[in-house]
Formats: sequence, C-alpha cells, structure tokens
Amino acid sequence: EVQLVQSGAEVKKPGESLKISCKGSGYSFTSYWIGWVRQMPGKGLEWMGIIYPGDSDTRYSPSFQGQVTISADKSISTAYLQWSSLKASDTAMYYCARLGLERPWDYWGQGTLVTVSS
Amino acid sequence: SYELTQPPSVSVSPGQTARITCSGDALPKKYAYWYQQKSGQAPVLVIYEDSKRPSGIPERFSGSSSGTMATLTISGAQVEDEADYYCYSTDSSGNLHVFGTGTKVTVL
Repeated sequence: EVQLVQSGAEVKKPGESLKISCKGSGYSFTSYWIGWVRQMPGKGLEWMGIIYPGDSDTRYSPSFQGQVTISADKSISTAYLQWSSLKASDTAMYYCARLGLERPWDYWGQGTLVTVSS
Repeated sequence: SYELTQPPSVSVSPGQTARITCSGDALPKKYAYWYQQKSGQAPVLVIYEDSKRPSGIPERFSGSSSGTMATLTISGAQVEDEADYYCYSTDSSGNLHVFGTGTKVTVL
C-alpha cells in the first residue's frame, strides 16, 4: 500500500527555521516525483515545487523560488520542505503528494499544519 | 505565470446535476485533472486525463474538455459530494504545475 506520512504540526516564531518531512512507503521512492502543496487557512491549493528523489532534480514554482528549499534523502525515502526564516504569512497546511505517471498527485500525505506566530 | 479559473461556488439540490468549469489557455494541449477536498481532509483525485475515473470513484463523476475549458459533472449529486473541487494542469511547457482557483459545491 502506497503511503506518504508527514511530520507533525509545528508552532514557530517569526524568524525561526523549520524543516518538515514526508516519508514514502509501499512503492519505489526514487522513481516518482514528490511535490509540495500549500493551503493557507480558508484558501485554495498552491503548487510549491517538486523533487525527483532518484537524482534530486528539483523544480520550484516562481511564487516559491527562493522562499523555501525542497530536498530528499532517498536512503530513508523521505522528502523535505524547509524554511530558513519563517514569516507569519507561512502559516498554512502543507501537503506532500506523489506525482504519478498517468495520474498526478495520486497519493497525498495527511498534511502538516505550520503555525507562525509571535 | 499561468492560471486556471473556476467559479467560486456551485449550489444544487440532491439528485440534480452540478457542473464545474475550469478555464485555461493551455487546456487544448494539456490534460485536466480534478480533485475533491472535503473539509479537514487531503484532496482526492476524482478525474484524470480529462475524463477518466479512478477506481473507487462513483460513476456520477464525469469529466470532459473542449478548447480552453474543462468541465467536471456530478450527475445526481449527493449530500456527501459537498466539498471543494480543484482542477489541475500544467502550462504549455509542462514545467509549471497549477491548481485552479477552486469551487465550493453545496448540495442542499
């Protein structure tokens, strides 16, 4: 069974750093792109970027380029999303999802809620 | 940048047909996909490659695409179909992945 399991909710202060994770299982982790999607409170889905764990090829949405870093450790089948300096506007639910071959975003993580508040 | 535009809301009575549109300039060349997101849950794929239905998705969900517009149809909508629905596609280069603006479907 394909599963993506994300790390737990985080509460941080502005200016702090953060790295959240997404662990894949039940499939060949290095053979599928993994993407990150932001959903701000009460708002829609926003594609942030994707990574191919096989060779760490990474693509970013222009809206998120330079704002976050996407990485992966294929040895432990885990993808990451990180911030070096959080802002209040980073408060959102963040989902990871697998980019299937015929069916993009065919499996999703349960989401990680990030709250940034002073 | 590239945008996919959806109506903010659609409201139908149980048993009626709900239609949700998604407009984008690259849709004549790129497939549209549709996701259902119920409150507090992760999205679920309900239509892929314009009109195909994944296993486990009820037959009342169907999709079509013509020109710059894709359409998700819920025939005989049920109360449990109340959710936000998002289309998804890429720009013509295939490098920019975009979700539509989202449509809240109310069945009452």
